[in-house]
Amino acid sequence: KAGVTQTPRYLIKTRGQQVTLSCSPISGHRSVSWYQQTPGQGLQFLFEYFSETQRNKGNFPGRFSGRQFSNSRSEMNVSTLELGDSALYLCASSLQSSGRAGGQYFGPGTRLTVT
Amino acid sequence: DQQVKQNSPSLSVQEGRISILNCDYTNSMFDYFLWYKKYPAEGPTFLISISSIKDKNEDGRFTVFLNKSAKHLSLHIVPSQPGDSAVYFCAASDGSNYQLIWGAGTKLIIKP
Repeated sequence: KAGVTQTPRYLIKTRGQQVTLSCSPISGHRSVSWYQQTPGQGLQFLFEYFSETQRNKGNFPGRFSGRQFSNSRSEMNVSTLELGDSALYLCASSLQSSGRAGGQYFGPGTRLTVT
Repeated sequence: DQQVKQNSPSLSVQEGRISILNCDYTNSMFDYFLWYKKYPAEGPTFLISISSIKDKNEDGRFTVFLNKSAKHLSLHIVPSQPGDSAVYFCAASDGSNYQLIWGAGTKLIIKP
């Protein structure tokens, strides 16, 4: 069974631009969560989608948005990029809810650098 | 305000010995805890979990202990192997919220 895939793996953008990241979950998984990882901060939860509905949202500004398609693939968008948005963005999928299932399965992440 | 804290950024252990990674939490509503392991350039992988109705869960070389009164959990790895060198994250959730709250991670280095 193929794992979680994320595209692109690396991205360099300039301040003010916008970016779209993509995530394809494991086949059959309906929950997709997005996280931002920065050094010393662990994983900061962005949002979770389940069956095309945003089920939960972390404490990030409205510049961060996402969506999920009927095939469970998900995208996240960051508009008006800031230097502080430079991070590893991780996508995770699970069969049910992100916090209750026997763990989430993570993709390798997209490394975003904002200059 | 960090609800899940891993106070040791790094830990170095001799191969064959026990590795003990610690995690503290502040939210008494947390009732489910997980440990993940992360290698460089890869996403975290699930290791082991524990529900608050238990105080111990074991899976091979990995054991997680939960002390609810102290709001503390620990991951024991026995014996430690070179392949265990990675960053370990603990995460927690409560029954009313699907969101996982993560610690900052502890980098474990196993010395040969």
